[in-house]
Amino acid sequence: QKEVEQNSGPLSVPEGAIASLNCTYSDRGSQSFFWYRQYSGKSPELIMFIYSNGDKEDGRFTAQLNKASQYVSLLIRDSQPSDSATYLCAVNSGYSTLTFGKGTMLLVSP
Amino acid sequence: NAGVTQTPKFQVLKTGQSMTLQCAQDMNHNSMYWYRQDPGMGLRLIYYSASEGTTDKGEVPNGYNVSRLNKREFSLRLESAAPSQTSVYFCASSEVHRAVAEAFFGQGTRLTVV
Repeated sequence: QKEVEQNSGPLSVPEGAIASLNCTYSDRGSQSFFWYRQYSGKSPELIMFIYSNGDKEDGRFTAQLNKASQYVSLLIRDSQPSDSATYLCAVNSGYSTLTFGKGTMLLVSP
Repeated sequence: NAGVTQTPKFQVLKTGQSMTLQCAQDMNHNSMYWYRQDPGMGLRLIYYSASEGTTDKGEVPNGYNVSRLNKREFSLRLESAAPSQTSVYFCASSEVHRAVAEAFFGQGTRLTVV
């Protein structure tokens, strides 16, 4: 059984701070890793993906991958109240299917 | 560009009734998926279709059937609805590029079985 683990939160940070979201996965054969954002009552939307060890930056978002530790994280710099949402980590282990974590709720207070 | 479109957005069924959830994508993706999302459970894969003409079971397929009607459309059928199938259902599609399969989601169907 492939598993993706996330803390459910909520993770509370003040506006302007760095939010750090973490995810671990069980399948060492996993190839690519995704972060989705889901606002309450809405569908998940892709923020970014990463498939090589190291960091990948996109605007205020940085994804970090450590395959040896089976760990992937998402950093959100200069957090805004509009970033308040549930963040889903997803892992691609098979040909095209994704296994999702249960998500971490992020609350950014003004 | 509509992306992934699901119908209906909301539905209430009585136990034992049947219904079909429709999904269509206009991104020319080969792969399509049906997920359900329950509080505290995350997104769980019900069925997927890696390409037109193929379908495979996911993590929670019991009580569901699917049809990949053509490259654009992938439907999910509940033959005899049960209260345990009350959930939010999401259709998604993806294309694989260098082993990276980014999934794009529809807006969801909120199903209540009473």
